[in-house]
Amino acid sequence: GAVVSQHPSRVICKSGTSVKIECRSLDFQATTMFWYRQFPKKSLMLMATSNEGSKATYEQGVEKDKFLINHASLTLSTLTVTSAHPEDSSFYICSAPRQTGAADNEQFFGPGTRLTVL
Amino acid sequence: DAKTTQPPSMDCAEGRAANLPCNHSTISGNEYVYWYRQIHSQGPQYIIHGLKNNETNEMASLIITEDRKSSTLILPHATLRDTAVYYCIVRFSSGSARQLTFGSGTQLTVLP
Repeated sequence: GAVVSQHPSRVICKSGTSVKIECRSLDFQATTMFWYRQFPKKSLMLMATSNEGSKATYEQGVEKDKFLINHASLTLSTLTVTSAHPEDSSFYICSAPRQTGAADNEQFFGPGTRLTVL
Repeated sequence: DAKTTQPPSMDCAEGRAANLPCNHSTISGNEYVYWYRQIHSQGPQYIIHGLKNNETNEMASLIITEDRKSSTLILPHATLRDTAVYYCIVRFSSGSARQLTFGSGTQLTVLP
């Protein structure tokens, strides 16, 4: 089946630094990828939609200047958390839709990246 | 996308069937019912989806009521590895590359 990878799986950084998270679709192309954030014991919340070759679309309340998204190729989207602070500590998950039939589409999720900001 | 309601938690004995309910009373005629699960500290995993008819695959069965206002995910022989949060999601179109909107889900705990 289709696989979506994320790197790194876990990162610990100091407050004020920037962290880049990569999301790759390994055996299919994705013009769109989604970035979610999940706090402990909470559900996934959509942060933004990453669009290949154009600007990302951010959900209400998500700062686009803080969470930079770059979708430079059909298999790679990156999320950079700029000037990270402890409240940005969370589980970040990406997903990519893949056409699985003539009128069918399935979302494949990455394994997630655990960010801890000290 | 229609809102769903699921019980926050359920227990199931290992080897028994796990039946997870979901209410989606505002579902529209061309919205699909999807089920995903998330094992602790992992990304969500697709399980099954359906529109009107009952569906079965190697992981589970999906039973959708005739009025489509509710559905049940059935894991026929639950194992300890099935312990996870199960999300029932209703989407407008399975052909659309839209994001998924996650509710609170049901924490299923399979007991030895």
